Formats: sequence, C-alpha cells, structure tokens
Amino acid sequence: QVQLVQSGAEVKKPGASVKVACKTSGYTFTSHATHWVRQAPGQRLEWMGWINAANGNTKYSEKFQARVTITSDTSANTAYMELSSLRSEDTAVYYCARDKEGGYKEFDYWGQGTLVTVSS
Amino acid sequence: DIQMTQSPSSLSASVGDRVTITCRASQSISSYLNWYQQKPGKAPKLLIYAASSLQSGVPSGFSGGGSGTDFTLTIYNLQPEDFATYYCQQGYSSPLTFGEGTRVEIK
Repeated sequence: QVQLVQSGAEVKKPGASVKVACKTSGYTFTSHATHWVRQAPGQRLEWMGWINAANGNTKYSEKFQARVTITSDTSANTAYMELSSLRSEDTAVYYCARDKEGGYKEFDYWGQGTLVTVSS
Repeated sequence: DIQMTQSPSSLSASVGDRVTITCRASQSISSYLNWYQQKPGKAPKLLIYAASSLQSGVPSGFSGGGSGTDFTLTIYNLQPEDFATYYCQQGYSSPLTFGEGTRVEIK
C-alpha cells in the first residue's frame, strides 16, 4: 500500500535550518511528483513547492523561494524539504504529499506530518 | 496569486442533514479544483478532484460541482465521521493555493 512516512518533530532556534524527510513506499517514486505543504496553528494549508524525482526538477512558491530547497534520493525513495533562516512564524506542521498525476495537482496520499517548532 | 475564498467559515448541522460548502476563486480556474477533508491532528484526505470527480474509496455522499470561479462541495446524509474541516485547493497555477477552510460541527 502507498505510504509516506515523515521524520520526527524538530525544535529549532531562530536563524537555524531544518530538513524534513519523507520516505515513500508502495508505488514508483519517480512516477509521481512530491509536494510539500505546511499548516501553521489554526491556519489554512500553504503550498511550498514540489519535486519531480524522475529528473530532479523543482518548483517553489515565491514566498519560500529564497529559503526552501526540495531534493530527492531515488535510491531511497525519499524526498526532503529544507527550510533555512527559520523564524517563529515558521512554526507549523509540514506535510509531504503525493501528486496523483491526474493533471489537476491533486494530492492523493499524505505523510503524517512533522511538527517544526521555532523558539529561542 | 489566485485567492480561494470559502463560505461559510463554519456551520453546525445534524446527522442526516445535507450541507453545501462554497469555494470561489479570484480568477477562472476551469475545473482545476480539489476538495479535502481534515480531522484534528491528521493529514488532509482527498475527497474530490477536477471539481466533480470522486476520489477512489470516498463515500458517494460527497459530491462536487462548478467550474470557472464558483464551486460547491455537497455532503448528503451527513454522518458522524463527516464532522471535520473541509478545504478547497486550486491546481490551475503556481503557487497552488487553498481556501481558509470550513469547519462542520455537530448541532
């Protein structure tokens, strides 16, 4: 069965970086893009970017362009999201999600979420 | 960026009711509209994609409609497990954006 399993919760100080892993199984990793979406407490979902693991191509939201890097390791069927220069407003649950590839950028499977807390 | 606006922000309903949630895009997005259900502490779950296509495994009591800028999600015969927050999401252009959510509560 399709699974996306994310790395554990992180606590970081302002200015630091965080790297979240998303290990996938149950499907061909390179046949589906992987997206990253975050949700701050009580807020709406916010799309950060995605990666096509087949060729390494990425696309980022302009809001995060300068601070986010999404990568993948096809040998480990794992995607990564690194966010730098963290500030308190980055405290959120970060999700990876699989693109169903139906052409509508719909996310049919999600990781369990990783809580990132930014606090001095 | 395309802004997605949902209404209402919350509603109270009883088991067996029919509820309708609306989502409006700030510009035409054709049928590039998806709906998700999220329960507290859980990841979102895809319900409807391409405005009206039911995701595999989702009960038939969920129905989506609309195109262009105005969309609806209707839940027929509301069940106890349907009490959750619902989000729309546009897949038309980057950045992909979500509505602010509609919380469906038990009356």
